[in-house]
Amino acid sequence: QKEVEQNSGPLSVPEGAIASLNCTYSDRGSQSFFWYRQYSGKSPELIMSIYSNGDKEDGRFTAQLNKASQYVSLLIRDSQPSDSATYLCAGQMKTSYDKVIFGPGTSLSVIP
Amino acid sequence: DGGITQSPKYLFRKEGQNVTLSCEQNLNHDAMYWYRQDPGQGLRLIYYSQIVNDFQKGDIAEGYSVSREKKESFPLTVTSAQKNPTAFYLCASSPQRYGTQYFGPGTRLLVL
Repeated sequence: QKEVEQNSGPLSVPEGAIASLNCTYSDRGSQSFFWYRQYSGKSPELIMSIYSNGDKEDGRFTAQLNKASQYVSLLIRDSQPSDSATYLCAGQMKTSYDKVIFGPGTSLSVIP
Repeated sequence: DGGITQSPKYLFRKEGQNVTLSCEQNLNHDAMYWYRQDPGQGLRLIYYSQIVNDFQKGDIAEGYSVSREKKESFPLTVTSAQKNPTAFYLCASSPQRYGTQYFGPGTRLLVL
């Protein structure tokens, strides 16, 4: 089992809809999680980090963490064509505490 | 401006040649990282450094070497032993050992 897993997509949503991106992880003791956005040909940029169970909101983005289910998600409200990118989930695993493990990414396409 | 810079943006390597990718940060971050990204793939950790004059191998260190003589700089050398070097190379830094990572713009390495 890979340490951080994501559906590769592509995920397509119409403009204005809610995009839901999901991520699961294998190490129950993992502490910190991150969502990055990566446009084609560019480097990843941090959207948000989340450390505690529950929801964390930042503008149109909401990250959700459920440590019991080992599940992290990112919701994008009012999706825009400019949100079309690959979204990388990453976690700091207890088993490799000094490294961040990245998932393979989910490709999101927002259709105008 | 504070940030992470990588140079060059594109680099061409001839057969049997060693090439060095530059990564500099003026964020006063302690930790620095090198990742490799292949088309359609996630990030794979090559080397990382938590402190000056110390670094550790990541998951795919074979064929690569690094140095960390200054806090601001973490150059990566792709040696002739790396038989498939064509990839997008990303440098990242983090304020502390276990913190959020921020990425530079990347270097695209191509083999002639």
